[in-house]
Amino acid sequence: DAGVTQSPTHLIKTRGQQVTLRCSPKSGHDTVSWYQQALGQGPQFIFQYYEEEERQRGNFPDRFSGHQFPNYSSELNVNALLLGDSALYLCASSLVQRNTEAFFGQGTRLTVV
Amino acid sequence: DAKTTQPTSMDCAEGRAANLPCNHSTISGNEYVYWYRQIHSQGPQYIIHGLKNNETNEMASLIITEDRKSSTLILPHATLRDTAVYYCIVRADILTGGGNKLTFGTGTQLKVEL
Repeated sequence: DAGVTQSPTHLIKTRGQQVTLRCSPKSGHDTVSWYQQALGQGPQFIFQYYEEEERQRGNFPDRFSGHQFPNYSSELNVNALLLGDSALYLCASSLVQRNTEAFFGQGTRLTVV
Repeated sequence: DAKTTQPTSMDCAEGRAANLPCNHSTISGNEYVYWYRQIHSQGPQYIIHGLKNNETNEMASLIITEDRKSSTLILPHATLRDTAVYYCIVRADILTGGGNKLTFGTGTQLKVEL
């Protein structure tokens, strides 16, 4: 079992550009959540996808959008990048109807210059 | 979800038990207590969770007070590899519509030393 995999591991983008991050959930999981972690802070919830729809959303602007595919994998898109978007982006997978643990990937380190 | 309060940092000698406290005085009856940890530059790792009863697994024990207003995570024999930020999170029961997002605070930086 490969667990949660994210790609790429590191990324450097210029202000104003757009970026797409990818996540494959743990085998058997149906829900994918995305988190942003700034340096020295705990992860902050961006949104969650289940059955290819956004189900919950945190306090993030519309520049942050996502998608979930029929195989449960997911993408996070960020448009019009700002310097403040530099962070570690984490993907977590879980089962929607179970009070069990979420499994996190190793994250994508995004640097906006 | 109820808020949690944790000490900013703690130290522990290798081989000794590490006891990490968490206050969640506004916890509701259907809210679970979860613990995750994050080793530098890695994704958070699940440790344990519980509702009312004390819980134990291969990694740790979770002790929840009878009034559920606080809990303690116990690593019975801490090693250098347990050095990490430990997050205590309160989350509502999924089956009551709480959703399964996790609200992280700033956690406790545990440093295990020789």
